[in-house]
Amino acid sequence: DGGITQSPKYLFRKEGQNVTLSCEQNLNHDAMYWYRQDPGQGLRLIYYSQIVNDFQKGDIAEGYSVSREKKESFPLTVTSAQKNPTAFYLCASRDSGTGEEYEKLFFGSGTQLSVL
Amino acid sequence: QKEVEQNSGPLSVPEGAIASLNCTYSDRGSQSFFWYRQYSGKSPELIMFIYSNGDKEDGRFTAQLNKASQYVSLLIRDSQPSDSATYLCAVISGGYNKLIFGAGTRLAVHP
Repeated sequence: DGGITQSPKYLFRKEGQNVTLSCEQNLNHDAMYWYRQDPGQGLRLIYYSQIVNDFQKGDIAEGYSVSREKKESFPLTVTSAQKNPTAFYLCASRDSGTGEEYEKLFFGSGTQLSVL
Repeated sequence: QKEVEQNSGPLSVPEGAIASLNCTYSDRGSQSFFWYRQYSGKSPELIMFIYSNGDKEDGRFTAQLNKASQYVSLLIRDSQPSDSATYLCAVISGGYNKLIFGAGTRLAVHP
């Protein structure tokens, strides 16, 4: 089955530690996104990538880093510079092209990150 | 001003009633509008999208768009307890292909 796989489902970070959240998709989608969701709030865009080896900062990129070395993979690193990392992190992907069908976003199941 | 605004709720409706969820957006150039449903601890799932002014119906769901008023709504007919969730309004922002989300409206359908 095609889809987006995020791992781990739960992750704990110690103070001063960097952690990496995995996102893999087999939908052959060009665009991938990382969102952060805090309790009772909507999704905020961290980073997005329209194509391999290229990515752009979203609205809350500080304290995060990404890479896009392969079309299928878009890992997110939460660095020690991110002082309030506790949140639900969602990875999403979208096919490229013009037309209504290409604007739908497909989400992974999410990673809940907590600070120890 | 937030780019996409929604009433946080909770919106409480009895089973079988019509639930009306509203959303306003600030970017007049926005062309694409989406409604996602999110159950607690789960990822959002797309339930409706709309691009043209007017109404779009899909089963018990109707999306309504008024670009002049920068307003989009979602009606859920014959509401069921299983419809209890948070509904997120999302808008494609300008020319950046970024989907901007509202904070969501929590809907509670009681028997």
